[in-house]
Amino acid sequence: GAVVSQHPSWVICKSGTSVKIECRSLDFQATTMFWYRQFPKQSLMLMATSNEGSKATYEQGVEKDKFLINHASLTLSTLTVTSAHPEDSSFYICSAGPQTSGIETQYFGPGTRLLVL
Amino acid sequence: LAKTTQPISMDSYEGQEVNITCSHNNIATNDYITWYQQFPSQGPRFIIQGYKTKVTNEVASLFIPADRKSSTLSLPRVSLSDTAVYYCLVGDIYSGAGSYQLTFGKGTKLSVIP
Repeated sequence: GAVVSQHPSWVICKSGTSVKIECRSLDFQATTMFWYRQFPKQSLMLMATSNEGSKATYEQGVEKDKFLINHASLTLSTLTVTSAHPEDSSFYICSAGPQTSGIETQYFGPGTRLLVL
Repeated sequence: LAKTTQPISMDSYEGQEVNITCSHNNIATNDYITWYQQFPSQGPRFIIQGYKTKVTNEVASLFIPADRKSSTLSLPRVSLSDTAVYYCLVGDIYSGAGSYQLTFGKGTKLSVIP
């Protein structure tokens, strides 16, 4: 299957700082990538849809000014958590799917564990 | 997006076949069924995908009855390493643009016992 990577795999930061998480599709191009957040013992929750060359689409309740998404190329999307606070501590996961003319499959990155002190 | 219902948890002994059933009564004509596996602190891993009847790959089988209102993921001879959360998702993925949006339910936590 297709490979999606994330960097960093984990990060610890002080409250008030900003953290950038990268999501890369390694062997395919992705016009669209998705960002999810997962709290302990809970399911994945879609945060936003990242669109190459245009603005991201955010789910209801997700602050677009706090979670900045940039999709500057067909293989890279970044999520920046601005002015992070302890409640932003979570597991952040991205996904992407190869552009095909038929059935699509989304592939997920390994996730990034964020701990805000 | 069709809503899915799965058992919250299941236990199985090593070496047994495990069947996890997912209900999706409101599945639409164009919807496909996809199953993912997630280990703790990892991203979900694609297992299998299907539209109707039976699909089999090297790790699992997916059984879909004619009315498509449910599906069953079958894992043959599970081992301890199969302990994970399994998610069933339903949606129209034949858009060809890589933009299919997934909605995750609570999933089924499978515990394999030695």
